[in-house]
Amino acid sequence: GQQVMQIPQYQHVQEGEDFTTYCNSSTTLSNIQWYKQRPGGHPVFLIQLVKSGEVKKQKRLTFQFGEAKKNSSLHITATQTTDVGTYFCAGPTSGTYKYIFGTGTRLKVLA
Amino acid sequence: DGGITQSPKYLFRKEGQNVTLSCEQNLNHDAMYWYRQDPGQGLRLIYYSQIVNDFQKGDIAEGYSVSREKKESFPLTVTSAQKNPTAFYLCASSIDLMGAEAFFGQGTRLTVV
Repeated sequence: GQQVMQIPQYQHVQEGEDFTTYCNSSTTLSNIQWYKQRPGGHPVFLIQLVKSGEVKKQKRLTFQFGEAKKNSSLHITATQTTDVGTYFCAGPTSGTYKYIFGTGTRLKVLA
Repeated sequence: DGGITQSPKYLFRKEGQNVTLSCEQNLNHDAMYWYRQDPGQGLRLIYYSQIVNDFQKGDIAEGYSVSREKKESFPLTVTSAQKNPTAFYLCASSIDLMGAEAFFGQGTRLTVV
């Protein structure tokens, strides 16, 4: 079945360093969403990418959708302690609209 | 306030018992979902519903059942057939299934004792 993998699984960074998580799908995605889950909390929607090669920015966060629409990345510039949490990508399975979540990347920021 | 509400926040169940988790939304969303999250892992889809009186199995539906009798409600029953039910359960809703943003509830942490 379709799989959505994220790397790395864990990432510890010093405050002020940059961070990137990568999302890879075994099949082409019509669109991709990114969510953030704080420790003990629930996922919160960050953004959706639809077009091949699309790049969107939200302050220090940059999201990119691959040309082949099978991968995506989230880059955080100059991390802050408020960036701590797990970042998930999610995409629809082929032929349906049910969303499959990636395995997630857990980010820890050391002050 | 508009949103999605799950109850209870914590739930303890004895082995062999069925238990129902509540999920209510007042966002007027057509689509609703149930996900299971195990410690340090991602979200796995249990069931989803596109419209009232209709629902579809996700990837791990065995041992679970749902109903969608009202647009705003999508309860999940964890049956005794679910072999490893201890987990964090998340309910979500979206305007439709066509790739809209999903709104999540606060989650229910179920523990089998």
